[in-house]
Amino acid sequence: EIVLTQSPGTLSLSPGERATLSCRARQTISSNSLAWYQQKRGQAPRLLIYAASSRATGIPDRFSGSGSGTDFTLTISRLEPEDFAMYYCQQFGNPPLTFGQGTKVEIK
Amino acid sequence: EVQLVESGGDLIQPGRSLRLSCAASGFTFDYHAMHWVRQAPGKGLEWVSGISWNSRAIGYADSVKGRFTISRDNAKNSLFLEMTSLRVEDTALYYCARDKGTTFGYDPFDIWGQGTMVSVSS
Repeated sequence: EIVLTQSPGTLSLSPGERATLSCRARQTISSNSLAWYQQKRGQAPRLLIYAASSRATGIPDRFSGSGSGTDFTLTISRLEPEDFAMYYCQQFGNPPLTFGQGTKVEIK
Repeated sequence: EVQLVESGGDLIQPGRSLRLSCAASGFTFDYHAMHWVRQAPGKGLEWVSGISWNSRAIGYADSVKGRFTISRDNAKNSLFLEMTSLRVEDTALYYCARDKGTTFGYDPFDIWGQGTMVSVSS
């Protein structure tokens, strides 16, 4: 099983600031197999980024993904009020599919 | 409108069985693999099981292997999860999710339902 570790656990920032979220895998994974999801309180997760850097349909361009091998990053260039939420990375290339434990982006 | 609607969640005693359903609409169901993902209260996401479009490829998390069975009925645009020997630690909100592709292991989950709650307690 591929373990994904996200950091930090919580990110306290103000609207307009830049958010940088990390996802580290214990073993190398294909960039094509890494996705990021956003989950707001009381809602289902929403796909943001897939194949490490491709934005899903309807996702604003302030969200971007990068990385390869074992280290991946989700960047939110300028936080909007609606971006304060939980974020999860996922690898789907090697069953069992796994998620990171999540990073909470909260208002400072 | 593309939609997934889960049902079947309940409060149930340990050791009992339960069957979850997911009704799909607004898209061609048999073009996509499907998955179940769960989230325990206050916790993160855990993939439970996935099934390819034609049911030939199926996978399970180790935590449910041998106890849960995933299936689908393409004629009825429905996904199922048969859960047996339920444990307290199976308590979670169970989401149905659509895979972007036809089999799992190649694509992310692009559509999610709102979930159905399973509570296992004596």
